[in-house]
Amino acid sequence: DAGVIQSPRHEVTEMGQEVTLRCKPISGHNSLFWYRQTMMRGLELLIYFNNNVPIDDSGMPEDRFSAKMPNASFSTLKIQPSEPRDSAVYFCASSPPGGNEKLFFGSGTQLSVL
Amino acid sequence: SQKIEQNSEALNIQEGKTATLTCNYTNYSPAYLQWYRQDPGRGPVFLLLIRENEKEKRKERLKVTFDTTLKQSLFHITASQPADSATYLCALGGGTGGYNKLIFGAGTRLAVHP
Repeated sequence: DAGVIQSPRHEVTEMGQEVTLRCKPISGHNSLFWYRQTMMRGLELLIYFNNNVPIDDSGMPEDRFSAKMPNASFSTLKIQPSEPRDSAVYFCASSPPGGNEKLFFGSGTQLSVL
Repeated sequence: SQKIEQNSEALNIQEGKTATLTCNYTNYSPAYLQWYRQDPGRGPVFLLLIRENEKEKRKERLKVTFDTTLKQSLFHITASQPADSATYLCALGGGTGGYNKLIFGAGTRLAVHP
């Protein structure tokens, strides 16, 4: 079975540009999470969805960040405009229904904003 | 605010010994606690889950304890092997923000030497 698929694997962009990160969760999973990982702050939860509905977005740093989940098989995290301090590894994770709380992570997107 | 603390310094042990990692938390009442393993350049991988009403969980060479009074979890790897070298993350869930919301500690890096 394919795991959580994220794209791109690496993204290098210049300050001020729009960045869109993509995630395809595991088929049948109904919860999706976006995390950001840096050396200084560790793994931070940005937002999570349940059945395509955003449940908690309190971790989204500011209005420059937005996330969508138009259907059960796709989600995006957009940063507009990007800033150097957004440089991090962004992970998407999904989990199945039925009270099984463990998360399945993708390989992450390494974002560098110059 | 909620805080999760793991040993920030790397843990170095000899092959065959038992590795013990600590996870302490404050200002949080989790319904469950999880441990993940993360290798460089990869997403975290789920290892074990323990619920608030459980004291101990085992899986092969892994053992997790959960003390809700001390607000602490201990993660043990017995008969450690060099292949166990990785960063280990603890995560708390089921508190405020929704049952599926999972908050991670910064992780402890384990190095097992032959």
